[in-house]
Amino acid sequence: KAGVTQTPRYLIKTRGQQVTLSCSPISGHRSVSWYQQTPGQGLQFLFEYFSETQRNKGNFPGRFSGRQFSNSRSEMNVSTLELGDSALYLCASSLNPAEQYFGPGTRLTVT
Amino acid sequence: AQSVTQPDIHITVSEGASLELRCNYSYGATPYLFWYVQSPGQGLQLLLKYFSGDTLVQGIKGFEAEFKRSQSSFNLRKPSVHWSDAAEYFCAVRGDYKLSFGAGTTVTVRA
Repeated sequence: KAGVTQTPRYLIKTRGQQVTLSCSPISGHRSVSWYQQTPGQGLQFLFEYFSETQRNKGNFPGRFSGRQFSNSRSEMNVSTLELGDSALYLCASSLNPAEQYFGPGTRLTVT
Repeated sequence: AQSVTQPDIHITVSEGASLELRCNYSYGATPYLFWYVQSPGQGLQLLLKYFSGDTLVQGIKGFEAEFKRSQSSFNLRKPSVHWSDAAEYFCAVRGDYKLSFGAGTTVTVRA
């Protein structure tokens, strides 16, 4: 069974731009969560989607948003990029709420 | 709110020697606990998990972990380390709706 895939793997953007990241979960998994990983803050929860509905959201500004499609694929969007948004963005999918499987991540660099 | 503490930022171990990584958690209810490993530039790979039952759990790559409720700990062990075990290791606890991660322990393996 194929794992979680994330595209693109690497991205370079300029301050003020916006970006969209994509995540395809493991087949049959309906829950997708997003995490941000930075050297300073570590791994932090962004949001969780289940059956196209955002179930939970972490403590991030409204510039961070996401959605989930009927095929469980998910996208996250960051608008008005700031230098501090540079991070590895990880997507995780799960069949049951507890056990999450992570993708390889998207490395976002904001210049 | 849940939290995880990994007291050791960096551990160096000789190839063939044993390894133990410490993890302490804080969560009011019965925790779901996990260990993940991350190689440079990669996502997180699930090593093992504890939900309930036997407090000694076996994972992939020869790793095991022991849940001790009285000490709020979930330490990871491996009897004999291989050079390929050099990576960063994260302990996580599943709370109400998200995974909360420790800061991670970087493991260096010397020949």
